[in-house]
Amino acid sequence: DTGVSQDPRHKITKRGQNVTFRCDPISEHNRLYWYRQTLGQGPEFLTYFQNEAQLEKSRLLSDRFSAERPKGSFSTLEIQRTEQGDSAMYLCASSPPWDSLGSDTQYFGPGTRLTVL
Amino acid sequence: GENVEQHPSTLSVQEGDSAVIKCTYSDSASNYFPWYKQELGKRPQLIIDIRSNVGEKKDQRIAVTLNKTAKHFSLHITETQPEDSAVYFCAASKTGNQFYFGTGTSLTVIP
Repeated sequence: DTGVSQDPRHKITKRGQNVTFRCDPISEHNRLYWYRQTLGQGPEFLTYFQNEAQLEKSRLLSDRFSAERPKGSFSTLEIQRTEQGDSAMYLCASSPPWDSLGSDTQYFGPGTRLTVL
Repeated sequence: GENVEQHPSTLSVQEGDSAVIKCTYSDSASNYFPWYKQELGKRPQLIIDIRSNVGEKKDQRIAVTLNKTAKHFSLHITETQPEDSAVYFCAASKTGNQFYFGTGTSLTVIP
């Protein structure tokens, strides 16, 4: 499967624990996004990487959230001291380099469903 | 920041009829507007997109129109089929670095 992959697909944790999710984008996609989606809502932007550089981060994002993309390939999203309000689907998406046609197509992964008890 | 509003939140149509979903945005600098379809339990998938330098784009039964002056864009699905039933999200972006999504429209096509 050459699509975007995420691991784990499901995570159940207790409040206060730290969790880390991984995203593997489509190879050669230098742009990578993280989103959070709750039931009945659209994806909420969290952060954006271009290669290994984190260029955008939502101002709504708590400092308990951190993301990395150390080699410009896979990315990790860590949530420290989880709270029940963090329960959501965490989606990763990747895009190819911007080209003259201005392609901004995002390809989404299957998501990681987080449940905080 | 950008604010994207989407209406209606639910829409039911008879098979073969047309469906229209509308979105408005607040940032006049936004220049890229994709539409995603998300089936239950699956990932969002791009179905059509439009850039601000065109007013309309069509792909078979799906079309998107953009009114930059009014800052709204719409998704049109003609000859709807039961497999069109899903949640549809609009989004807006001005740099490709950050996307703002609408709250979604749950479309049901009644056979």
